[in-house]
Amino acid sequence: EVQLVESGGGLVQPGGSLRLSCVASTFTFSNDNMNWVRQAPGKGLEWISYISSSGSTMYYADSVKGRFTISRDSAKNSLFLQMNSLRAEDTAVYYCARDWGSCSGGSCASLPLFDYWGRGTLVTVSS
Amino acid sequence: EIVMAQSPATLSVSPGERATLSCRASHSVNNDVAWYQQKPGQAPRLLIYGASTRATGTPARFSGSGSGTEFTLTISSLQSEDFAVYYCQQYKTWPPLTFGGGTKVEIK
Repeated sequence: EVQLVESGGGLVQPGGSLRLSCVASTFTFSNDNMNWVRQAPGKGLEWISYISSSGSTMYYADSVKGRFTISRDSAKNSLFLQMNSLRAEDTAVYYCARDWGSCSGGSCASLPLFDYWGRGTLVTVSS
Repeated sequence: EIVMAQSPATLSVSPGERATLSCRASHSVNNDVAWYQQKPGQAPRLLIYGASTRATGTPARFSGSGSGTEFTLTISSLQSEDFAVYYCQQYKTWPPLTFGGGTKVEIK
């Protein structure tokens, strides 16, 4: 069973920075595409960033582009989100989530939907 | 960006009854739609992908249908553990990956 555990959330002032981490308990992390998804209090889900298994491809939502940076350290089974220039509207629970994947007969496929999620870490941006 | 619109926002259903949730895409997404269930204080859980394929562990009372721009999640006979918020997500055209606003299924 894959487990994802986020950390690093907390209270930060507008304009400040925070770095989130997500540690995965899975032997396949180096083969997994990973994402960050957030949820503002009482609101819906918002995808914010993706990183490929190799770390060579990253995508961002427009709402965070230029301010957030996704990265990974597959040797440590870890995913990161560096968040700079934080705004009040960035207040949310931040989830790491794994792309759906399936292997059969030695061939693996993945899709950009999320089969495993962490429990989330709360980021509050307020003065 | 493909916008996903869910309706209704809230659905009041009695246990044992059927629930039908709708999701509409602003442009065709073929059948690249997933459905998630989220209970209070928990992370979302994948229920359906490919519009109609149940994810591992999803009970058979959950079924998905649709293609193009119109999608439906049906819960055939609501159990107490099914009262939750449900989200659809498209993964045909991205970035960005986009979710609907959610449908809350509550006890009538």
